[in-house]
Amino acid sequence: SAVISQKPSRDICQRGTSLTIQCQVDSQVTMMFWYRQQPGQSLTLIATANQGSEATYESGFVIDKFPISRPNLTFSTLTVSNMSPEDSSIYLCSVEPREGQPQHFGDGTRLSIL
Amino acid sequence: DQQVKQNSPSLSVQEGRISILNCDYTNSMFDYFLWYKKYPAEGPTFLISISSIKDKNEDGRFTVFLNKSAKHLSLHIVPSQPGDSAVYFCAASITPGTYKYIFGTGTRLKVLA
Repeated sequence: SAVISQKPSRDICQRGTSLTIQCQVDSQVTMMFWYRQQPGQSLTLIATANQGSEATYESGFVIDKFPISRPNLTFSTLTVSNMSPEDSSIYLCSVEPREGQPQHFGDGTRLSIL
Repeated sequence: DQQVKQNSPSLSVQEGRISILNCDYTNSMFDYFLWYKKYPAEGPTFLISISSIKDKNEDGRFTVFLNKSAKHLSLHIVPSQPGDSAVYFCAASITPGTYKYIFGTGTRLKVLA
């Protein structure tokens, strides 16, 4: 199974600033995903990141707010831009280790915006 | 519109007894279902899955039952152990391997020693 390292594990940020979250996998994977879990809510898919192409965003999420990079098959970043208190959430990356296998998740980044 | 629902936010069970966690869904197109377990400060960990062509899948102490007509699935843990105390999420997707998982809001299970 894939081992996923996510950084930072937590952060407290000021309103209006941006934060970039990193996701590193120990094996090459085609598909990487970014989720958000707001307090008391379910996990919601933000976007799918495939290497060599632009990320595909789900309804309600836009590239200007959540730009994503996928420079190679083992790494991705998610930036949360111009943050407001409503962005306080846990952000998780996940990967599909092999096609058809259940997604594996990183430990998440707990983000608080003051 | 919450397509996957876990109506019980919490559940307490005595060690050694059966834990039953429930999940309902509304989209009849869902045909692949998963359960994840999540400990505090960790990411969700895959537990067990079931395809809509089956009505039961078993893996050790964990069994998932699927009732397609009722759009309902359940996770049975027998016997329950204190280490099973965690938040359990059910998720659904349209086909196996499809990236888009729709998650429920989770049920917090507490197994009492």
